[in-house]
Amino acid sequence: GIQVEQSPPDLILQEGANSTLRCNFSDSVNNLQWFHQNPWGQLINLFYIPSGTKQNGRLSATTVATERYSLLYISSSQTTDSGVYFCAPPRKGDDKIIFGKGTRLHILP
Amino acid sequence: EAQVTQNPRYLITVTGKKLTVTCSQNMNHEYMSWYRQDPGLGLRQIYYSMNVEVTDKGDVPEGYKVSRKEKRNFPLILESPSPNQTSLYFCASSLLGRQPGNSPLHFGNGTRLTVT
Repeated sequence: GIQVEQSPPDLILQEGANSTLRCNFSDSVNNLQWFHQNPWGQLINLFYIPSGTKQNGRLSATTVATERYSLLYISSSQTTDSGVYFCAPPRKGDDKIIFGKGTRLHILP
Repeated sequence: EAQVTQNPRYLITVTGKKLTVTCSQNMNHEYMSWYRQDPGLGLRQIYYSMNVEVTDKGDVPEGYKVSRKEKRNFPLILESPSPNQTSLYFCASSLLGRQPGNSPLHFGNGTRLTVT
């Protein structure tokens, strides 16, 4: 099945900094989702991105399916951006959503 | 407001005492699923349902039961809970039953279960 690798595993930044989180996947996909798990445990869908780039405020995501990676950009980080970010492409065949192990982001005030 | 509602948020119980975690969605989604999240193991799928009266095992179904009698509800039942079922549980839904990865997946707020 599809393998999903996220990097870096951990990231500590000062408030106001920009960051780029990467998701590599081993198989071709026709879409990918990014989720944020906040410190209270809630899982929020950030992006459903078939291809190309999507933007939502300070966050944007780009998926390059042909090269099997996706990037999540966070600009002007805020402490509320802290948490774990998961990417999740669907597996071929049964379309089951496969989650990466996540990138833990800690924004310092 | 479109949402997935799980209850309860926190639950502490004892070994062997049957419990049910409820999940309801108001988006007319076909696909619903239960996950558990444990440190170091990530999100693992317990059961899923592609539509009413259709349920299937996920990766870690042992010790759990589900039912899908109505489109909006997908309860998770632990007939005889054990301490190794202590975990953070999430219910999720998406629009397309047979292609759950082809539409956004929405999660409930989670249920933190402790079994002593």
